[in-house]
Amino acid sequence: AQTVTQSQPEMSVQEAETVTLSCTYDTSESDYYLFWYKQPPSRQMILVIRQEAYKQQNATENRFSVNFQKAAKSFSLKISDSQLGDAAMYFCAYRSPPKGSSGSRLTFGEGTQLTVNP
Amino acid sequence: NAGVTQTPKFRILKIGQSMTLQCTQDMNHNYMYWYRQDPGMGLKLIYYSVGAGITDKGEVPNGYNVSRSTTEDFPLRLELAAPSQTSVYFCASSLAGGGGNEQFFGPGTRLTVL
Repeated sequence: AQTVTQSQPEMSVQEAETVTLSCTYDTSESDYYLFWYKQPPSRQMILVIRQEAYKQQNATENRFSVNFQKAAKSFSLKISDSQLGDAAMYFCAYRSPPKGSSGSRLTFGEGTQLTVNP
Repeated sequence: NAGVTQTPKFRILKIGQSMTLQCTQDMNHNYMYWYRQDPGMGLKLIYYSVGAGITDKGEVPNGYNVSRSTTEDFPLRLELAAPSQTSVYFCASSLAGGGGNEQFFGPGTRLTVL
């Protein structure tokens, strides 16, 4: 079974600075997707960024980018120019390839609570 | 579009009571999911459905039942509530079941069993 590990329960960053959140995963698959979700205090789960394992280029969405190291099974999230609104719980998630008509499942890490200091 | 809606937002149950958590999506998505999130933890899959009439167990299905009679609705039934079921429950939907298809989440239901 796939596992996702986020080794940093809490992180903090100063407003306007850069922070990197770590994620590692375990899988025997070669094709899969990785995601970062943001959960603010409202509890709403919001997709931040996604990465396909076959794409070597790291995904970027505005101030959010990833460092995907397939051989190391590492998928870190970098937030540049941090803003107060970035404060939230961040979850890394893994999705295996679909199996027949049953689709595939998301496996989540335990999350990293990010605090942004003014 | 309202997206994924869940009712109720909060509920307190006594041990042994039953209840149904409602989930509706208006995006015509085929796939729907139920997750639970325990304090300080990530989400764990309870049940999922690949279309009307088809459901399957996820990682933590014990103590729950689901049905999918329409594309829009995917209710989660708790029978004989136990304190271990105290959690936040999220419903989600996606157009397809694999690849990079985004799962859209509802706002969650906070359930306490006393």
